[in-house]
Amino acid sequence: GAVVSQHPSRVICKSGTSVKIECRSLDFQATTMFWYRQFPKQSLMLMATSNEGSKATYEQGVEKDKFLINHASLTLSTLTVTSAHPEDSSFYICSASLGTSGGLGGGTQYFGPGTRLTVL
Amino acid sequence: GQNIDQPTEMTATEGAIVQINCTYQTSGFNGLFWYQQHAGEAPTFLSYNVLDGLEEKGRFSSFLSRSKGYSYLLLKELQMKDSASYLCAPLDSNYQLIWGAGTKLIIKP
Repeated sequence: GAVVSQHPSRVICKSGTSVKIECRSLDFQATTMFWYRQFPKQSLMLMATSNEGSKATYEQGVEKDKFLINHASLTLSTLTVTSAHPEDSSFYICSASLGTSGGLGGGTQYFGPGTRLTVL
Repeated sequence: GQNIDQPTEMTATEGAIVQINCTYQTSGFNGLFWYQQHAGEAPTFLSYNVLDGLEEKGRFSSFLSRSKGYSYLLLKELQMKDSASYLCAPLDSNYQLIWGAGTKLIIKP
């Protein structure tokens, strides 16, 4: 159980184009989805938290107009990197959570396999 | 502030036991997670502790002391596939995971 998929796994694009990454919880309904970015040999950096049907909450320093997040359903969230530049090249990882209500393990995040973005 | 402290790197021998320590300071506390992350891959969930004590799950065990802000992950009967980074991540009062840089574990034959 608790499988999260992410698509595409790898994308190479030209500078100035937009890239959409999908994150799906396959066997559970995710109350909350998270988007992370990780540069080589660095820790995970939370970009934003999104709840189904509401606007995402962005972390300080993350441009909401550049990284558009849509959480249309309890099983799907998308991250669109608009007008991508080479410095946006990174490993983008989503995670999904059942939420924090009740029981041990509330808040457990299950991660997708990640998307490696290379902007030329 | 919020802070996670883990060794940057550890080396152990195949078949041996290794303990990865983690100390943390967070705004509030709602449990602590351990994740495993192989190079180039996303993290995978290993364990969750919210009460003091030891949680055993196969070859992996995790310990928590809330009063000391301390946890460890114990890996027994090490296998080459255990070579990975191990991330200690406490959950703060907002139920947000606080991530450190993790401990890179190198297993040698």
